[in-house]
Amino acid sequence: EVQLVESGGGLVQPGRSLRLSCAASGFTFDDYAMHWVRQAPGKGLEWVSGISWNSGSIGYADSVKGRFTISRDNAKNSLYLQMNSLRAEDTALYYCAKARGGYYSGYDLSFWGQGTLVTVSS
Amino acid sequence: DIVMTQSPDSLAVSLGERATINCKSSQSVLYSSNNKNYLAWYQQKPGQPPKLLIYWASTRESGVPDRFSGSGSGTDFTLTISSLQAEDVAVYYCQQYYSTLSITFGQGTRLEIK
Repeated sequence: EVQLVESGGGLVQPGRSLRLSCAASGFTFDDYAMHWVRQAPGKGLEWVSGISWNSGSIGYADSVKGRFTISRDNAKNSLYLQMNSLRAEDTALYYCAKARGGYYSGYDLSFWGQGTLVTVSS
Repeated sequence: DIVMTQSPDSLAVSLGERATINCKSSQSVLYSSNNKNYLAWYQQKPGQPPKLLIYWASTRESGVPDRFSGSGSGTDFTLTISSLQAEDVAVYYCQQYYSTLSITFGQGTRLEIK
């Protein structure tokens, strides 16, 4: 059974940093691209970042470029999102999602975790 | 970025009736080399993560009831629920994965029972 379990969310002050993690199981992690997608309270879905199976191809939304860094550790079946210089508008539920294939572009998101909540507030 | 626009924003349909949600992309998401439309549909129920329903614009994900179908090509797409059930109340999103730079979602369509 495919499982994605996000962790690392919480309350953080503007300008500070936070690192999210996503633990994957039930599939061959290093065969698939992975993504982070966020959802602000009561709002729609916003893609944040994606990473290919071997970390060779990475993409970011313009809203987080230069502040967020996606990475993965295939030996640990884990995906990460380092979030720096956090802003109030980064407040959202952050989902980890598995792509259908190995490249971060060109595939739908076939499975999603339950999400971890990030609140940026003083 | 490719902009995805859904219509309507909300929809109320009677049980057993047909529900239709539209999605329009700002540029074609049809890849000519493989003739595939890089378009997916997701369902999100309250308090739950999104669930993939349809990919390649018309391929139903495993386990998705056959009352859900996707159609369209190029820039105009439709999600149809042929006979609405109570458990279909949700927000539905279209998404393009054609762009090599970014994935984008539509704003969502809220589906309710009339």
